[in-house]
Parts: sequence; structure tokens; C-alpha cells
Amino acid sequence: GAVVSQHPSWVICKSGTSVKIECRSLDFQATTMFWYRQFPKQSLMLMATSNEGSKATYEQGVEKDKFLINHASLTLSTLTVTSAHPEDSSFYICSARGSRVGAADRNEQFFGPGTRLTVL
Amino acid sequence: GESVGLHLPTLSVQEGDNSIINCAYSNSASDYFIWYKQESGKGPQFIIDIRSNMDKRQGQRVTVLLNKTVKHLSLQIAATQPGDSAVYFCAENLGGYQKVTFGTGTKLQVIP
Repeated sequence: GAVVSQHPSWVICKSGTSVKIECRSLDFQATTMFWYRQFPKQSLMLMATSNEGSKATYEQGVEKDKFLINHASLTLSTLTVTSAHPEDSSFYICSARGSRVGAADRNEQFFGPGTRLTVL
Repeated sequence: GESVGLHLPTLSVQEGDNSIINCAYSNSASDYFIWYKQESGKGPQFIIDIRSNMDKRQGQRVTVLLNKTVKHLSLQIAATQPGDSAVYFCAENLGGYQKVTFGTGTKLQVIP
């Protein structure tokens, strides 16, 4: 199947600093990428949807100035958590969707392995 | 609408038995459903999907059943193995290129 990678896999930062998380589609072009946040023992909550070359669409309650999303190419999207605070500590997961040769269903989303963010 | 899980229900199953994980979805307009498996500290892994024009679909050791009348989805795992221990999420999609919304999730514990 299609591979989506995230970097870093985990990060610890001090309160007030900014952290950038990268999401890459390794063997296909991702026209759309999604960013999710998952707190312990909870489900994945969609934060935003980004289409390559366009501004991201944020879900209700997600601060766009705090969670900056850039989808500048068909294989890379970044999420920057600005001025991070302890309550931002979470598991951040990206997924990618796009056309792929041989794809059985172009609607399928492929998920990255997640990034564990801990803000001290 | 979206569902937010505050507590993950747990299903404990003896190794070798069949597992049935249930999910209720809320949006009657959803026409594409997916089951994901998530192991601790990892991203969701696609298991099986089903479209609303079907009521059953089988994969390897897994079967998904869809009851649109009561908006219910189930995942059946045959001969459950220790490696099946994980959290399972159902997800719904409005079709086309709409976003995927995750359900609450169920933790499956396989007892050796």
C-alpha cells in the first residue's frame, strides 16, 4: 500500500516554543492531506484538511493561527504548533489522499505513524 | 455528526474465538465506511471498507456488516489472535472526496 511518513516520531519541547511536524507521501502524490489529533484513550479528531497549493480548511474550534498548516507540494505537508503549551501535548497524525497508479479506491486515506508531542 | 470518545470500551476475547466489534454511526448521508486498527503508539491501519450499497463484505478473517436502517456497523474477526489486540475504529465518509470522521473506538484484548 501507499506509504505516509511523519517526522519526527516524537518531540519534547518547552512551553512557548514552536514545533514543526512533517508529513510526506512517499510513493504517491497527495492532493489532499488531513491532520488529526488524538488524546489518550480517545478517538482521532480531525483538525484540518489541506489541498496542495491552497489554504487549509480548519475544523470548528481549531485555531488556525496556532496550528499552521502548509501543503506546498504534492508530497509534503507540515503542521506547526506555535507557542506550544502543555495542553497541546497529544498524538498528531496525518493522512494523505490522492491519485496513485493501481489504487483500488482513490478515496482511500493513508495514515502516517503519528508524532507524539510533549510540551513541558 | 462526529462522536468523541471519552472512554474506550473494551472487549476481551479468548484466543481462537470470534470477535464482534460494533459501531453506531450518526450521519445517514454517509455512504462509505471503513474499519481501522490502531496499535499503541501507531497510526491507524486500514482493515476493510464497505459502501452503502452493500450490507456485507468479507476480507481475510474479517467481515464487515452494514445495517443502514439502524445506522449500525460491525466488524467480525474470525479466530482472533494475540496480534489482533489493538483499538478498532469505525469511520464514516460522505462519499466523493469528503473527510473521514472517526467513531469512538473499541479496545480489543485477546486473552492467550
